[in-house]
Formats: sequence, C-alpha cells, structure tokens
Amino acid sequence: DVKVTQSSRYLVKRTGEKVFLECVQDMDHENMFWYRQDPGLGLRLIYFSYDVKMKEKGDIPEGYSVSREKKERFSLILESASTNQTSMYLCALMSSRDTDTQYFGPGTRLTVL
Amino acid sequence: AQSVTQPDIHITVSEGASLELRCNYSYGATPYLFWYVQSPGQGLQLLLKYFSGDTLVQGIKGFEAEFKRSQSSFNLRKPSVHWSDAAEYFCAVAPRNSGYSTLTFGKGTMLLVSP
Repeated sequence: DVKVTQSSRYLVKRTGEKVFLECVQDMDHENMFWYRQDPGLGLRLIYFSYDVKMKEKGDIPEGYSVSREKKERFSLILESASTNQTSMYLCALMSSRDTDTQYFGPGTRLTVL
Repeated sequence: AQSVTQPDIHITVSEGASLELRCNYSYGATPYLFWYVQSPGQGLQLLLKYFSGDTLVQGIKGFEAEFKRSQSSFNLRKPSVHWSDAAEYFCAVAPRNSGYSTLTFGKGTMLLVSP
C-alpha cells in the first residue's frame, strides 16, 4: 500500500508566523504534490516536485514555497501566514509503480488567527 | 485549459437506492479520468480510474464509472447505496503521458444518504 503521512492533522497559527507543513512517504516515489482544499472551490494545486530539489509551481503558488531536500519529505512553507491561508492542506504522491495515479495523505487543517 | 464540471453540489439518496454522480470534462484529448471519495475530516481515497480499454470501469466499494467519449462524461454509479457511502466525491482529470501529470479536480458532490 502507498502510505502518505502528514505531520499534523490540526494546526493553529497566528498571522505573520512562519508555518511548515510536512509530508513524508515511506517508499521511493518521485512525484509529490501539495493542494489546498476550500469549500466550493475543490482542490487547487499549490506546488509539486518531481525529484529531490526540483519543484514546479501549480495553480496558486502565491504566498507559499516548498522544500524537497530528501526524496521522502516534501515540505510546504508559509513564510508569513495570513488569515486567507486558513484551509485544508493535502499532500499527494504519484507512485512510480502505478504511474499517473495520485495517492493522498489525511490532510492538515490549518487555522490562521 | 482543461476543466472538470460536477453539476450537482449536493445529492440526497435513500439507503438502498441507486446512485449516479455526474462528471463532465473539457479537454483537447481524452485525458486520464479518476474518481476520489473524501469522508469528513479525511484525505482523498481513490475509487477508480480510467486510462484506456473497456469504458466501464469497476472500482472499490461497489462503485463503477462509465466513460462516454461522445459526451465527455465519466459518471460514477452504484446500484445500492449504503449509509457509509455518505461523503464528498471528486472527479479529476490528468493529461496523458505528461510524465508527472497534475490533476484537475471538479468542485465535488456531497452525497447525503437518508434512512
């Protein structure tokens, strides 16, 4: 089974704080993705990475950055959190054994006060 | 640009009744097609996918979906709904052979199951 772990299920931060959301996989999959999910808007792609130290912007990268120093870990960074970044954040990966299919983690619900 | 439309925001179905969730896509060529389900507070679970071949695809939990090229549709069906099927359902598409394809999601359909 493909397993995607997100470091926190719930997170509460204050405006202006730097926030790290972590996503970890236990296999050797190359492609990892960060989405945010908002009611009525569905899922929107923030960033993705297809290898270590490689990253590509998705549809809504503004206000976010990412880090992929090791293959198993893909971090989403909010440099200065704002209230409009309150959302559910979902990490996904694409299995190298089941290409073109994405598998999702349980999500992190972030609230920015 | 590609887009995915799920015309129904909410659907209520009686337990034991049949279900059909609609999905239409707009794309230059037939994309890869997916259905995911999300239970409250959880991540997305893959139900089924269509890449090629038989246009009727079987998935987990008794779901199936039919790809109709002429209608650009990929509707999800289940013959008899259980209360545990209450969740939000997302249709998604990805371009073929993109190497590291990204998904475009519909906005989701919330399924409510009545007793």
